[in-house]
Amino acid sequence: GNSVTQMEGPVTLSEEAFLTINCTYTATGYPSLFWYVQYPGEGLQLLLKATKADDKGSNKGFEATYRKETTSFHLEKGSVQVSDSAVYFCAPTDMRFGAGTRLTVKP
Amino acid sequence: KAGVTQTPRYLIKTRGQQVTLSCSPISGHRSVSWYQQTPGQGLQFLFEYFSETQRNKGNFPGRFSGRQFSNSRSEMNVSTLELGDSALYLCASSPELAAYNEQFFGPGTRLTVL
Repeated sequence: GNSVTQMEGPVTLSEEAFLTINCTYTATGYPSLFWYVQYPGEGLQLLLKATKADDKGSNKGFEATYRKETTSFHLEKGSVQVSDSAVYFCAPTDMRFGAGTRLTVKP
Repeated sequence: KAGVTQTPRYLIKTRGQQVTLSCSPISGHRSVSWYQQTPGQGLQFLFEYFSETQRNKGNFPGRFSGRQFSNSRSEMNVSTLELGDSALYLCASSPELAAYNEQFFGPGTRLTVL
């Protein structure tokens, strides 16, 4: 079956640092790919998505590109803020979520 | 549009009891999925209901069951509770089957089993 491997956390960065959270997947076919974010005390919410190869999803300064050749969908942000502190989940569209990566951004 | 709502938000039960959790999807959404979130196991898929039928099921014992009503509201039941069932239970809805769509999550029900 399909699976997803996500970079383990926790990740601690200083404000304005560059962020990368790696995500690779195995899948039959070419699923849509999603990043979800979970802020403290809340449920998950969609951060960004890409529906086909070479698509780039972006939102709130975060970006991820659907790389079919490497089966990856790494999340990046050029300058993180304290408010980005949350848990980030990578997910192909078959209900299998990555383990989640907890990000803490310090002022 | 109102978001996904889950009731209750917090629940405390003892071993051996059973519990029922409720989820109201976004209006017009036909798919409801349930997940268990724990610090050790992360987010694990329980099952998905679509048009009152279970369409997908994760790898959980038969103590975990669910159903969906004609108005798309869903309930999840856990019988004979075990300590390890303590978790945050998340419900998510989608316009169509979750495999092809973004999911919208509720805030979760925090279940503590003593």
